[in-house]
Amino acid sequence: DSGVTQTPKHLITATGQRVTLRCSPRSGDLSVYWYQQSLDQGLQFLIQYYNGEERAKGNILERFSAQQFPDLHSELNLSSLELGDSALYFCASSVYSGGTYEQYFGPGTRLTVT
Amino acid sequence: GENVEQHPSTLSVQEGDSAVIKCTYSDSASNYFPWYKQELGKRPQLIIDIRSNVGEKKDQRIAVTLNKTAKHFSLHITETQPEDSAVYFCAASSDHQGAQKLVFGQGTRLTINP
Repeated sequence: DSGVTQTPKHLITATGQRVTLRCSPRSGDLSVYWYQQSLDQGLQFLIQYYNGEERAKGNILERFSAQQFPDLHSELNLSSLELGDSALYFCASSVYSGGTYEQYFGPGTRLTVT
Repeated sequence: GENVEQHPSTLSVQEGDSAVIKCTYSDSASNYFPWYKQELGKRPQLIIDIRSNVGEKKDQRIAVTLNKTAKHFSLHITETQPEDSAVYFCAASSDHQGAQKLVFGQGTRLTINP
């Protein structure tokens, strides 16, 4: 158990809908990262927040958005869902160790778009 | 941007033998190289990492080597055991002012045959 929690575990929804995924980082970690894992694209970095502010951005679609709240939990919002958005969505949080930030992943949310 | 290539995509070894997985990266600014192990349906788990100012790092049966000139790094697992069977991912990132964008390789499915 990494200490990072994600809800829900599974989500099934229809095309065109909007969903919100939630992540709570490990106690004391200020950074939260979101990743998408699909069979054809592998593990893709989406976005990083540090203490409430966006810090780094990856290949995140315009239909997707994220935020980090004052209590440091984060939410990833996915809208106008398409079949291709079906994937595992992981959240990670990081601790500064040995000169860098080590990322620890949560258990993930499996999103199925039908 | 950064691109990480990982080989082989599948690897099968006899229990007790060694396994080697290799990755190459494209961005010379990358300075952090973690390795993750992912069991089926589970989260990626950080197993070892190395920074660009170090050529080799070892943790029990696992070691990582880095060749900055050639832009490649490798994971070595010795005395393999059945519980080492999993998908292994390498990643690369350039940390800058707390921003960390991990770019992952496509993964290696390692099978340990008893």
